[in-house]
Amino acid sequence: SQKIEQNSEALNIQEGKTATLTCNYTNYSPAYLQWYRQDPGRGPVFLLLIRENEKEKRKERLKVTFDTTLKQSLFHITASQPADSATYLCALGGADSWGKLQFGAGTQVVVTP
Amino acid sequence: DAGITQSPRHKVTETGTPVTLRCHQTENHRYMYWYRQDPGHGLRLIHYSYGVKDTDKGEVSDGYSVSRSKTEDFLLTLESATSSQTSVYFCAIGGTGVQETQYFGPGTRLLVL
Repeated sequence: SQKIEQNSEALNIQEGKTATLTCNYTNYSPAYLQWYRQDPGRGPVFLLLIRENEKEKRKERLKVTFDTTLKQSLFHITASQPADSATYLCALGGADSWGKLQFGAGTQVVVTP
Repeated sequence: DAGITQSPRHKVTETGTPVTLRCHQTENHRYMYWYRQDPGHGLRLIHYSYGVKDTDKGEVSDGYSVSRSKTEDFLLTLESATSSQTSVYFCAIGGTGVQETQYFGPGTRLLVL
């Protein structure tokens, strides 16, 4: 069965450092991968999308890589700030999936001053 | 929250009673989705819609039904609520492309006693 794994342990990081999150998947050949941010009591908010033929995407302090050989995506937050504290979800979609996404359980990031 | 509202925001009900959750959008998006979110499981797709009166099952559809009689409204019904349906329910809308991002509502917290 399809499986998406994100580190269940919270990532505690000092302000100014780079936070790196992983998203590993098995039994899946996604056409694209998305990353979302979720704050407590709120719905997820889209951050970045990367397609299977793209290696890297950047948006401001965020960077995503996608390695279809390793079946892994890395999500980086550079120069992290306390406001970046949240849970980050990865989501995979297929080419003919009508927008249906498979989500990982998410990784909590805590940035301390 | 991208013009998406969910009602009610919180509900407590008893086992065996029917429950209907409503998702309303003002964005005129074609695709609408219902997810549930539980600790350790991430977001799981219950049902989705690709147009008025066009719906299909997701990953965890047993015990749930949906209806979409207007573009802006997508209803999720628990025919006979069970304690295993205690969860946070999120509605999402998507754009015209199958790889477009999804925008989530604020969520409904449901407790089935």
